[in-house]
Amino acid sequence: EDQVTQSPEALRLQEGESSSLNCSYTVSGLRGLFWYRQDPGKGPEFLFTLYSAGEEKEKEKLKATLTKKESFLHITAPKPEDSATYLCAVATGTASKLTFGTGTRLQVTL
Amino acid sequence: DVKVTQSSRYLVKRTGEKVFLECVQDMDHENMFWYRQDPGLGLRLIYFSYDVKMKEKGDIPEGYSVSREKKERFSLILESASTNQTSMYLCASSLRQSYQETQYFGPGTRLLVL
Repeated sequence: EDQVTQSPEALRLQEGESSSLNCSYTVSGLRGLFWYRQDPGKGPEFLFTLYSAGEEKEKEKLKATLTKKESFLHITAPKPEDSATYLCAVATGTASKLTFGTGTRLQVTL
Repeated sequence: DVKVTQSSRYLVKRTGEKVFLECVQDMDHENMFWYRQDPGLGLRLIYFSYDVKMKEKGDIPEGYSVSREKKERFSLILESASTNQTSMYLCASSLRQSYQETQYFGPGTRLLVL
């Protein structure tokens, strides 16, 4: 059974304090790893897709990397508006389904 | 721009009522999905559809059914709502093409069953 574990569950940062969120996975046949941002009461917003170990993607202050066992989402110099829950998901098999982790709740304070 | 819409943001229903949640996407995606999201449990797949009139059970289909009569529209039906179906319901869609399977989500429907 595919498993996705995100850590930490919650993270509190001061504005400007860079950090990384972790997503570790145990799957058979990874087809893609996805990062989403979710604001309270809203649907997840797509950030990145990574397909193979060694791949990196960047978007503004976010950078996602992938190894054979885990992915990291690095956030540089965060601001309070970056506060959200960050979700990781994996696609395996042939059915286009995703298995989600339970997310990291990030709070950035002034 | 990618767009998935859901018929209601908030719904309050009584136990035993039949509930319809509707999702529409304008991206010509083949795949559509219904999830529920509960604190501490994450997103769990209820049903998905990879084509019109096709459906497959996800991880938690009990108490739910779905309908997909048109490519752009996917409905989730609670035949007889129960209090344990109080949750946030999220619809998503994606292409069926390999390596293009990013799922795009709607805004969600928060359902309260009394």
